[in-house]
Amino acid sequence: DTAVSQTPKYLVTQMGNDKSIKCEQNLGHDTMYWYKQDSKKFLKIMFSYNNKELIINETVPNRFSPKSPDKAHLNLHINSLELGDSAVYFCASSPRGTAWEGYTFGSGTRLTVV
Amino acid sequence: QQQVKQSPQSLIVQKGGISIINCAYENTAFDYFPWYQQFPGKGPALLIAIRPDVSEKKEGRFTISFNKSAKQFSLHIMDSQPGDSATYFCAANGSGNTPLVFGKGTRLSVIA
Repeated sequence: DTAVSQTPKYLVTQMGNDKSIKCEQNLGHDTMYWYKQDSKKFLKIMFSYNNKELIINETVPNRFSPKSPDKAHLNLHINSLELGDSAVYFCASSPRGTAWEGYTFGSGTRLTVV
Repeated sequence: QQQVKQSPQSLIVQKGGISIINCAYENTAFDYFPWYQQFPGKGPALLIAIRPDVSEKKEGRFTISFNKSAKQFSLHIMDSQPGDSATYFCAANGSGNTPLVFGKGTRLSVIA
């Protein structure tokens, strides 16, 4: 039973398109995150949600819009995709908004914009 | 501004050797320092973590050494095995809802 699942695993799309990535966790965690991992493996926080409410919104273009319908789901919608958006996007969750019990990451969504 | 600086970028170690990865931080509000391990095609997974009230933590072959005054911490992998070949990330965060900030990663290759 996958703890944090992301769909799709791979996404290839053309510039200018709009796409969504879905994330679900079955751990009962309160906080969920989106991280972007670039081609050099650098992991950068994009958004943090605690119990459906946006907590952190790092410097991310407003073409990226997260949506959390409930605390088990955090989706990422991207408008007007650009070449520079190509990366691996990871969803993660943690209990009670703290890192002390560890983040659980999904397996990632590799987005390629052509 | 990179909050956690990690080195080296890549590391090749002989099987049975010791792998050492170093990290440094600036923010004195950080109070939790984990290491994550990532295999190709997978998400990072928590390996071991330390709080600043101790100088060392050991779990099996993995040890974190922490130097609060120098604002540095390191991961030591004893008796390195080919199965340890992965990318390792140090990370840090403070209290409350601040998310983890990660170092840039170290790609470890353990060769037989």
